Amino acid sequence: AQTVTQSQPEMSVQEAETVTLSCTYDTSESNYYLFWYKQPPSRQMILVIRQEAYKQQNATENRFSVNFQKAAKSFSLKISDSQLGDTAMYFCAFRRGFNTDKLIFGTGTRLQVFP
Amino acid sequence: EPEVTQTPSHQVTQMGQEVILRCVPISNHLYFYWYRQILGQKVEFLVSFYNNEISEKSEIFDDQFSVERPDGSNFTLKIRSTKLEDSAMYFCASLGGEIAGELFFGEGSRLTVL
Repeated sequence: AQTVTQSQPEMSVQEAETVTLSCTYDTSESNYYLFWYKQPPSRQMILVIRQEAYKQQNATENRFSVNFQKAAKSFSLKISDSQLGDTAMYFCAFRRGFNTDKLIFGTGTRLQVFP
Repeated sequence: EPEVTQTPSHQVTQMGQEVILRCVPISNHLYFYWYRQILGQKVEFLVSFYNNEISEKSEIFDDQFSVERPDGSNFTLKIRSTKLEDSAMYFCASLGGEIAGELFFGEGSRLTVL
């Protein structure tokens, strides 16, 4: 069975600074996807970034980037130039290779960005 | 921008009562999901639904739970006889089915069982 672990329940960062959220996972699958979802106080989860396990290059979306270490089963999210609007709950999630398969979530990290 | 909508946003019910949570997925999507999040805990998969039948369900999704897509637009989750431990936020999600498709979530329905 797959598991996803987020060891940081809460993090805080000052506006314009950089913060890294940690995520580790366990799986015996060779083909899978990893995701970071953001859940702002309005509650709707939105996709931040996605990484395909077969790609060695780390995914990047504007200020968001990941450090994907496949051998270590680690998938951290780096937020550069943090903005107040980045304040949210961040969930790391795993999905097997089939795009319709279920997501397995971590427990989340609550990020607070201070002015 | 298309979105997944859920109603009600919050429902309070007595233990043993039936509850129906409703979701309107994105119109051209083919795959539908329910997840739940007990306060302070992780988001957990309940069930996936495709072509008018359940594709997969978790251990949580026991005989007290059912899903249906009654009219081609709504996707409902029914809990027949609610228990205190059913109190949670329930999220509906839909997926278009394309290879790199993104899963879209609704804002959730908070269920409080007293």
